[in-house]
Amino acid sequence: GQNIDQPTEMTATEGAIVQINCTYQTSGFNGLFWYQQHAGEAPTFLSYNVLDGLEEKGRFSSFLSRSKGYSYLLLKELQMKDSASYLCAVTDSNYQLIWGAGTKLIIKP
Amino acid sequence: TAGITQAPTSQILAAGRSMTLRCTQDMRHNAMYWYRQDLGLGLRLIHYSNTAGTTGKGEVPDGYSVSRANTDDFPLTLASAVPSQTSVYFCASSDGAAGDEQFFGPGTRLTVL
Repeated sequence: GQNIDQPTEMTATEGAIVQINCTYQTSGFNGLFWYQQHAGEAPTFLSYNVLDGLEEKGRFSSFLSRSKGYSYLLLKELQMKDSASYLCAVTDSNYQLIWGAGTKLIIKP
Repeated sequence: TAGITQAPTSQILAAGRSMTLRCTQDMRHNAMYWYRQDLGLGLRLIHYSNTAGTTGKGEVPDGYSVSRANTDDFPLTLASAVPSQTSVYFCASSDGAAGDEQFFGPGTRLTVL
């Protein structure tokens, strides 16, 4: 079966750095997405990785290792507005997105 | 720019009744999707359409139907609602290529009693 695993909840302090991990087992791989979802709102796109390595975009970076079926999202200089759920999703061999349940990130002052 | 809109925002529906959730995008995207999101579960694909005139079944299609008569609209119909269809429904669209991000509508919160 297809499976995306990420921690259910994480807590971090304003101004700090946090790493949210995602491991996947899917039928084929055609890229991995990270989305941010604030409570009661729609998911919004953060990043896309299809090759191994680190993609940096401002305070957010995303890493992919295809051989390990592993990705992480790194958030630096945390702000209160970063409190949200972070969703990992993998494009499978049928080019459909398989979604993880999301990691709820709580930022404390 | 409106992007992608959904209606209604929320709805309470009696079991056994039918309902159509509306979704419209103005980005001229080829592909459109319907997901449901339940607490503790990831987004689950109900139906999708890669281009106007075609539709396909996702992971959880039972009890739902869709149509794609034109590029902009992708309605989702529940023919006879059941309480297990209580969920938040998101419509999304993309250009359709593997690395293209999906843009999501604001969602419809549906409660079936």
